[in-house]
Amino acid sequence: DAGITQSPRHKVTETGTPVTLRCHQTENHRYMYWYRQDPGHGLRLIHYSYGVKDTDKGEVSDGYSVSRSKTEDFLLTLESATSSQTSVYFCATRRTGGFESSYEQYFGPGTRLTVT
Amino acid sequence: SQQGEEDPQALSIQEGENATMNCSYKTSINNLQWYRQNSGRGLVHLILIRSNEREKHSGRLRVTLDTSKKSSSLLITASRAADTASYFCATDGYDYKLSFGAGTTVTVRA
Repeated sequence: DAGITQSPRHKVTETGTPVTLRCHQTENHRYMYWYRQDPGHGLRLIHYSYGVKDTDKGEVSDGYSVSRSKTEDFLLTLESATSSQTSVYFCATRRTGGFESSYEQYFGPGTRLTVT
Repeated sequence: SQQGEEDPQALSIQEGENATMNCSYKTSINNLQWYRQNSGRGLVHLILIRSNEREKHSGRLRVTLDTSKKSSSLLITASRAADTASYFCATDGYDYKLSFGAGTTVTVRA
């Protein structure tokens, strides 16, 4: 978890409200990712970023948007939260380079979100 | 959809025994990685094996890869209580993204 923080760590919100989760890294890694983790599904990619202001959709992007205005921050927004978005959300980063360790992803501690 | 699938879903072993878990995937890969997740924590990278490698070791970990069968295995030797965790395989398909399986939960009994 070193160098990657997520905030908040826990949040309870009501259906229909907007929610923003923040990922902050001090590693200067180019790539950043948002995943959700649900029982029986492992981790599923929501959105990812390959540079400042460069983002793309993952496999479960519906209902989510992201923004990256600085290298160190990657925001995930639920425009109108639904109960199906109750989950644990993980941010991850990856450095660039052609060496083997550049393929690894580094994960934050997670945010537990409950939508009631 | 998920690329990798782990087997078994759960595994309970005695301390000192070996733990083996398997991962199958569907499409061609650049490399395959294994991660560990302790309860309530983020994932931690364990080991990576490239598509042109067949076996790799790191401490008590041994990973194999069979690209013809699109499968990999992770062996943890001489398990310890601290190895209790969930283990995930993840495939890297040349697009800077990882696709994770659902994981194997390993419990090491003292």
